[in-house]
Amino acid sequence: EIVLTQSPGTLSLSPGERATLSCRASQSVSSSYLAWYQHKPGQAPRLLIYGASSRATGIPDRFSGSGSGTDFTLTITRLEPEDFAVYYCQQYGSSPRTFGQGTKVEIK
Amino acid sequence: QVQLQASGPGLLKPSETLSLTCTVSDGSINSYYWSWIRQPPGKGLEWIGYVHYSGTTNYNPSLKSRVTMSVDTSKNNFSLKLSSVTAADTAVYYCARGGSQLWFWGQATQVTVSS
Repeated sequence: EIVLTQSPGTLSLSPGERATLSCRASQSVSSSYLAWYQHKPGQAPRLLIYGASSRATGIPDRFSGSGSGTDFTLTITRLEPEDFAVYYCQQYGSSPRTFGQGTKVEIK
Repeated sequence: QVQLQASGPGLLKPSETLSLTCTVSDGSINSYYWSWIRQPPGKGLEWIGYVHYSGTTNYNPSLKSRVTMSVDTSKNNFSLKLSSVTAADTAVYYCARGGSQLWFWGQATQVTVSS
């Protein structure tokens, strides 16, 4: 199975700053079938990005995804207060689907 | 927007069978894949598997011998059964729409296995 490693584990930033989250796969992710999710305490996770770079419906354009092969990045250009959360990557190019362990974006 | 809500017993004893149902509202269960995901305490997300509205399934090999998923189109819901549970199956469980990227997720439902 494909193992996804996210870094850093925690990112301490201030509102308005840029956040760069990394997701590295143990082997190439087929057809860039990689998604990113946002998860806030007490809420259901929300799909942000699929296909490595396509924003899901209703997701603000400050969220962007990039990458291919084994290296993927989620960028939040200007952090809003509501963006502080845990972010997970997930690959769906092969079975079993797997998730990274998450990156927590916290207020500095 | 489609809404999902998982329900089922929150406390089980070892060796029992976990049974959860996810009810889909504001949308049809037809034409889609439906997934189950769980998160043990202090750990990451684990994909359990998915079921297509037609009944086709795909399970995580790590759980395959104990998992059964099914769809009830007449009730617009889908279900997860996990047999022979142990403390390691203690987790919050999520249902979601999709078999690849997970478009919509339901709220977590806590399942605890304890004697």
